[in-house]
Amino acid sequence: LAKTTQPISMDSYEGQEVNITCSHNNIATNDYITWYQQFPSQGPRFIIQGYKTKVTNEVASLFIPADRKSSTLSLPRVSLSDTAVYYCLVGGRSYNTDKLIFGTGTRLQVFP
Amino acid sequence: DVKVTQSSRYLVKRTGEKVFLECVQDMDHENMFWYRQDPGLGLRLIYFSYDVKMKEKGDIPEGYSVSREKKERFSLILESASTNQTSMYLCASSEINYGYTFGSGTRLTVV
Repeated sequence: LAKTTQPISMDSYEGQEVNITCSHNNIATNDYITWYQQFPSQGPRFIIQGYKTKVTNEVASLFIPADRKSSTLSLPRVSLSDTAVYYCLVGGRSYNTDKLIFGTGTRLQVFP
Repeated sequence: DVKVTQSSRYLVKRTGEKVFLECVQDMDHENMFWYRQDPGLGLRLIYFSYDVKMKEKGDIPEGYSVSREKKERFSLILESASTNQTSMYLCASSEINYGYTFGSGTRLTVV
């Protein structure tokens, strides 16, 4: 299963764009890259998933270079409510299952 | 929206008790998972199941067992609770190629 490495913490101010980069050097050919957001005392919440190039939804964008050894979650114009822990995961597959291994995540603090 | 419901938000149990944590999902997902989350350690996978009556060990299965008698329900069992099992327990479900949906978690305290 591919291991991921991401910064432990980041600070930002309201209205700024935030980019969180994740390294996954041993990603497998059929692995997807998924990002989750977690607020205190809640379960993680799915944000975005991609395989290559760029994916965008109403919440974020995900940039994946051609070698897929890293990915960048981009949050446009963050607000105080974006303060949370963000997890980057690479999908591992065993037989017909997919099993995600969480790292320690990136704690994003947004200031007024 | 997919919903994953965990039966209790907070539980307090005594050392040695048998503890059942229940999880139900309403979207007919094949895969279900139990994680525990501890400060500084992130989320660690305990057990998962990809079909009824099927189970696979995760990274930290010791001291736990699971039961999946019906597709929508996945139970985590602490056979004899110990204080080092005090933690936040998170249940999740998923389909292949789609993201996970997590429950709100159960904060278990073993005294």
